[in-house]
Amino acid sequence: AQSVAQPEDQVNVAEGNPLTVKCTYSVSGNPYLFWYVQYPNRGLQFLLKYITGDNLVKGSYGFEAEFNKSQTSFHLKKPSALVSDSALYFCAVTPWDDYKLSFGAGTTVTVRA
Amino acid sequence: NAGVTQTPKFRILKIGQSMTLQCTQDMNHNYMYWYRQDPGMGLKLIYYSVGAGITDKGEVPNGYNVSRSTTEDFPLRLELAAPSQTSVYFCASSSIAGGPPGEQFFGPGTRLTVL
Repeated sequence: AQSVAQPEDQVNVAEGNPLTVKCTYSVSGNPYLFWYVQYPNRGLQFLLKYITGDNLVKGSYGFEAEFNKSQTSFHLKKPSALVSDSALYFCAVTPWDDYKLSFGAGTTVTVRA
Repeated sequence: NAGVTQTPKFRILKIGQSMTLQCTQDMNHNYMYWYRQDPGMGLKLIYYSVGAGITDKGEVPNGYNVSRSTTEDFPLRLELAAPSQTSVYFCASSSIAGGPPGEQFFGPGTRLTVL
């Protein structure tokens, strides 16, 4: 069975500073990896995904994520955080031959002005 | 496109009552899912469907039932509500075009309280 760990419940950064949200995964075979963001009282919104190819994936709103197979990680990054990036972020994984996602517990990001 | 819509937005139930959470998508997606979200726990899959007439259990199906008579609709039924079912429920859908797994599109959620 697959699983995702997001080791930080909360990440706090100042506006303009780099933002990193960590994710490690466990899955049989090749993984498909996703990042979603949830704003208060809203559903989840897709940010980006890794299927195959380049280990650096670019997504919406200036976010990117780096797939590292040896470390089984898929950390989300943004070079310069905005106050509007404050939200709950979820990492998710599924094996290459499946479509059911397993989600991490989520990381709350707070960007202070 | 409206995307994925859910009704109601909020509901308070008494223990033992029943209700149906409605979910509709207008993107002609084959795959649909029901999740529950509890604080600090992420999302847990309740039931999913790969097409009309086909449903299967997810990680936490006890106390729930689903049906999928059309591509568009995927209602979730709670038969005998219990306090443990207090949660936020999300419906999602995805396409198989181009091969799985497509990104999932989420509805706005239903906040359910069982007292």
